[in-house]
Amino acid sequence: GAVVSQHPSWVICKSGTSVKIECRSLDFQATTMFWYRQFPKQSLMLMATSNEGSKATYEQGVEKDKFLINHASLTLSTLTVTSAHPEDSSFYICSAPKGVGGETQYFGPGTRLLVL
Amino acid sequence: GNSVTQMEGPVTLSEEAFLTINCTYTATGYPSLFWYVQYPGEGLQLLLKATKADDKGSNKGFEATYRKETTSFHLEKGSVQVSDSAVYFCALLTQGGSEKLVFGKGMKLTVNP
Repeated sequence: GAVVSQHPSWVICKSGTSVKIECRSLDFQATTMFWYRQFPKQSLMLMATSNEGSKATYEQGVEKDKFLINHASLTLSTLTVTSAHPEDSSFYICSAPKGVGGETQYFGPGTRLLVL
Repeated sequence: GNSVTQMEGPVTLSEEAFLTINCTYTATGYPSLFWYVQYPGEGLQLLLKATKADDKGSNKGFEATYRKETTSFHLEKGSVQVSDSAVYFCALLTQGGSEKLVFGKGMKLTVNP
Protein backbone atom coordinates (compact mmCIF):
# COMPACT_ATOMS: atom_id res chain seq x y z
CA GLY A 1 0.00 0.00 0.00
CA ALA A 2 0.89 3.63 -0.11
CA VAL A 3 3.42 4.92 2.39
CA VAL A 4 3.67 8.25 4.14
CA SER A 5 6.72 9.04 6.22
CA GLN A 6 7.38 11.67 8.85
CA HIS A 7 10.64 13.05 10.10
CA PRO A 8 11.69 13.28 12.81
CA SER A 9 9.78 10.65 14.75
CA TRP A 10 10.39 12.53 17.96
CA VAL A 11 12.05 15.78 18.95
CA ILE A 12 12.89 17.56 22.18
CA CYS A 13 13.55 21.26 22.02
CA LYS A 14 13.94 24.28 24.26
CA SER A 15 11.16 26.78 24.69
CA GLY A 16 11.39 29.56 22.12
CA THR A 17 12.98 27.53 19.36
CA SER A 18 11.32 26.47 16.11
CA VAL A 19 10.85 22.91 15.02
CA LYS A 20 10.22 21.64 11.50
CA ILE A 21 8.40 18.39 10.83
CA GLU A 22 8.41 16.81 7.39
CA CYS A 23 5.70 14.70 5.83
CA ARG A 24 6.46 12.78 2.64
CA SER A 25 4.36 10.61 0.40
CA LEU A 26 6.86 8.00 -0.72
CA ASP A 27 5.19 6.33 -3.66
CA PHE A 28 2.45 8.67 -4.79
CA GLN A 29 1.87 12.34 -5.36
CA ALA A 30 -0.38 14.33 -3.08
CA THR A 31 -1.66 17.78 -3.94
CA THR A 32 -3.27 17.87 -0.52
CA MET A 33 -1.97 16.74 2.84
CA PHE A 34 -3.52 17.05 6.27
CA TRP A 35 -1.89 17.87 9.59
CA TYR A 36 -3.40 16.60 12.83
CA ARG A 37 -2.57 17.05 16.47
CA GLN A 38 -3.28 14.43 19.09
CA PHE A 39 -3.25 14.97 22.82
CA PRO A 40 -3.06 12.03 25.24
CA LYS A 41 -6.37 10.18 25.35
CA GLN A 42 -7.84 12.59 22.83
CA SER A 43 -8.88 12.17 19.26
CA LEU A 44 -6.92 13.45 16.32
CA MET A 45 -7.76 17.09 15.74
CA LEU A 46 -7.35 18.44 12.24
CA MET A 47 -5.10 21.49 12.32
CA ALA A 48 -4.83 22.42 8.68
CA THR A 49 -4.99 21.29 5.11
CA SER A 50 -1.77 21.70 3.17
CA ASN A 51 -2.24 22.56 -0.49
CA GLU A 52 0.50 22.24 -3.07
CA GLY A 53 0.95 25.51 -4.88
CA SER A 54 -1.27 27.56 -2.61
CA LYS A 55 -1.72 28.60 0.98
CA ALA A 56 -2.69 26.14 3.65
CA THR A 57 -6.21 26.16 5.02
CA TYR A 58 -6.30 26.33 8.79
CA GLU A 59 -9.03 25.08 11.08
CA GLN A 60 -10.73 27.46 13.42
CA GLY A 61 -8.63 28.21 16.45
CA VAL A 62 -5.31 27.19 14.91
CA GLU A 63 -2.78 30.01 14.72
CA LYS A 64 -1.37 30.13 11.22
CA ASP A 65 1.61 32.22 12.31
CA LYS A 66 2.39 29.68 14.99
CA PHE A 67 2.09 26.61 12.81
CA LEU A 68 3.63 27.37 9.43
CA ILE A 69 2.81 24.96 6.67
CA ASN A 70 4.61 24.72 3.36
CA HIS A 71 3.66 22.26 0.66
CA ALA A 72 6.96 22.38 -1.18
CA SER A 73 6.28 19.70 -3.75
CA LEU A 74 3.79 17.01 -4.68
CA THR A 75 5.43 14.66 -2.19
CA LEU A 76 6.46 16.93 0.67
CA SER A 77 4.68 19.08 3.21
CA THR A 78 6.35 20.66 6.22
CA LEU A 79 4.92 21.89 9.50
CA THR A 80 7.02 24.37 11.44
CA VAL A 81 6.13 25.05 15.03
CA THR A 82 7.51 28.53 15.60
CA SER A 83 8.69 29.80 18.98
CA ALA A 84 7.61 26.58 20.57
CA HIS A 85 6.30 26.54 24.13
CA PRO A 86 5.59 23.64 26.48
CA GLU A 87 1.89 23.75 25.61
CA ASP A 88 2.85 22.89 22.03
CA SER A 89 4.11 19.52 23.20
CA SER A 90 2.00 16.96 21.44
CA PHE A 91 1.86 14.20 18.85
CA TYR A 92 1.64 15.56 15.30
CA ILE A 93 0.39 13.33 12.50
CA CYS A 94 0.11 13.96 8.79
CA SER A 95 -1.94 12.19 6.16
CA ALA A 96 -2.24 12.25 2.40
CA PRO A 97 -5.20 11.11 0.34
CA LYS A 98 -4.63 8.89 -2.63
CA GLY A 99 -7.06 8.39 -5.42
CA VAL A 100 -10.33 10.00 -6.35
CA GLY A 101 -12.59 11.36 -3.61
CA GLY A 102 -9.97 11.51 -0.90
CA GLU A 103 -11.60 8.77 1.15
CA THR A 104 -8.47 6.67 1.21
CA GLN A 105 -6.03 8.55 3.36
CA TYR A 106 -2.61 7.27 4.26
CA PHE A 107 -1.15 8.37 7.56
CA GLY A 108 2.37 9.01 8.67
CA PRO A 109 3.63 7.37 11.88
CA GLY A 110 3.54 10.68 13.74
CA THR A 111 6.07 12.98 15.39
CA ARG A 112 6.20 13.43 19.11
CA LEU A 113 7.27 16.92 20.15
CA LEU A 114 8.37 17.75 23.66
CA VAL A 115 9.12 21.38 24.45
CA LEU A 116 11.05 21.97 27.62
CA GLY B 1 -21.80 19.83 13.89
CA ASN B 2 -19.93 16.66 13.11
CA SER B 3 -18.65 14.48 15.91
CA VAL B 4 -17.79 10.88 16.72
CA THR B 5 -18.16 9.22 20.10
CA GLN B 6 -16.59 5.88 20.73
CA MET B 7 -15.87 3.59 23.63
CA GLU B 8 -12.83 4.61 25.59
CA GLY B 9 -10.42 2.06 26.87
CA PRO B 10 -8.07 0.72 27.50
CA VAL B 11 -9.52 -2.74 27.07
CA THR B 12 -7.72 -6.02 27.72
CA LEU B 13 -9.04 -9.28 26.34
CA SER B 14 -7.88 -12.83 26.16
CA GLU B 15 -7.15 -14.42 22.81
CA GLU B 16 -10.26 -15.73 21.04
CA ALA B 17 -12.58 -13.44 23.00
CA PHE B 18 -15.38 -11.52 21.29
CA LEU B 19 -14.76 -7.83 20.66
CA THR B 20 -17.22 -4.97 20.32
CA ILE B 21 -16.19 -1.34 20.16
CA ASN B 22 -19.13 1.03 20.13
CA CYS B 23 -19.16 4.09 17.90
CA THR B 24 -21.91 6.64 17.37
CA TYR B 25 -21.82 9.77 15.30
CA THR B 26 -23.48 13.11 14.77
CA ALA B 27 -23.35 14.55 11.30
CA THR B 28 -25.07 16.61 8.68
CA GLY B 29 -26.31 14.37 5.93
CA TYR B 30 -25.02 10.87 5.45
CA PRO B 31 -21.28 10.74 5.83
CA SER B 32 -18.98 7.87 4.99
CA LEU B 33 -17.85 6.02 8.11
CA PHE B 34 -14.49 4.43 8.85
CA TRP B 35 -12.56 2.40 11.33
CA TYR B 36 -8.83 3.06 11.44
CA VAL B 37 -6.30 1.00 13.36
CA GLN B 38 -2.92 2.07 14.67
CA TYR B 39 -0.50 -0.73 15.49
CA PRO B 40 2.37 0.07 17.86
CA GLY B 41 4.96 2.27 16.19
CA GLU B 42 3.00 2.62 12.96
CA GLY B 43 0.70 5.15 11.33
CA LEU B 44 -3.07 4.86 11.18
CA GLN B 45 -4.32 2.36 8.63
CA LEU B 46 -7.78 2.04 7.20
CA LEU B 47 -9.38 -1.10 8.61
CA LEU B 48 -12.79 -0.89 6.96
CA LYS B 49 -15.37 1.57 5.74
CA ALA B 50 -19.01 1.97 4.77
CA THR B 51 -20.34 4.68 2.53
CA LYS B 52 -24.12 4.41 2.94
CA ALA B 53 -26.80 3.15 5.28
CA ASP B 54 -26.93 -0.61 5.86
CA ASP B 55 -23.54 -1.10 4.22
CA LYS B 56 -21.31 -3.55 6.04
CA GLY B 57 -17.58 -3.02 5.98
CA SER B 58 -15.35 -5.99 6.71
CA ASN B 59 -11.65 -6.77 6.81
CA LYS B 60 -9.35 -9.14 8.71
CA GLY B 61 -12.32 -10.67 10.52
CA PHE B 62 -13.62 -7.30 11.69
CA GLU B 63 -17.06 -6.06 10.71
CA ALA B 64 -19.09 -2.89 11.15
CA THR B 65 -22.54 -1.99 9.80
CA TYR B 66 -23.65 1.54 9.00
CA ARG B 67 -26.85 2.02 11.03
CA LYS B 68 -28.59 5.22 10.08
CA GLU B 69 -31.47 4.77 12.52
CA THR B 70 -29.14 4.56 15.50
CA THR B 71 -26.34 6.67 13.97
CA SER B 72 -23.91 3.92 14.89
CA PHE B 73 -21.01 2.03 13.35
CA HIS B 74 -19.98 -0.51 15.98
CA LEU B 75 -16.87 -2.61 15.31
CA GLU B 76 -17.00 -6.35 16.03
CA LYS B 77 -14.74 -9.35 15.77
CA GLY B 78 -15.72 -12.81 16.83
CA SER B 79 -12.32 -14.04 17.96
CA VAL B 80 -9.48 -11.63 18.62
CA GLN B 81 -5.81 -12.47 18.27
CA VAL B 82 -2.73 -11.12 19.98
CA SER B 83 -1.86 -9.39 16.71
CA ASP B 84 -5.06 -7.32 16.99
CA SER B 85 -3.53 -5.37 19.85
CA ALA B 86 -3.68 -1.76 18.67
CA VAL B 87 -5.55 1.52 19.00
CA TYR B 88 -8.83 1.67 17.09
CA PHE B 89 -10.35 4.93 15.83
CA CYS B 90 -13.85 5.47 14.51
CA ALA B 91 -14.15 8.33 12.03
CA LEU B 92 -16.51 10.03 9.61
CA LEU B 93 -15.83 11.98 6.46
CA THR B 94 -17.67 15.28 6.40
CA GLN B 95 -19.69 16.20 3.36
CA GLY B 96 -20.04 19.35 1.36
CA GLY B 97 -17.20 21.59 0.36
CA SER B 98 -13.87 20.42 1.73
CA GLU B 99 -14.09 16.86 2.98
CA LYS B 100 -12.39 16.16 6.26
CA LEU B 101 -12.04 13.23 8.61
CA VAL B 102 -13.47 13.64 12.11
CA PHE B 103 -12.14 11.10 14.60
CA GLY B 104 -13.30 9.57 17.83
CA LYS B 105 -10.86 9.49 20.74
CA GLY B 106 -9.55 6.04 19.98
CA MET B 107 -9.57 2.90 22.06
CA LYS B 108 -6.50 0.91 23.00
CA LEU B 109 -6.99 -2.85 22.82
CA THR B 110 -4.57 -5.34 24.32
CA VAL B 111 -5.05 -9.02 23.59
CA ASN B 112 -3.24 -11.45 25.86
CA PRO B 113 -2.35 -15.01 24.84
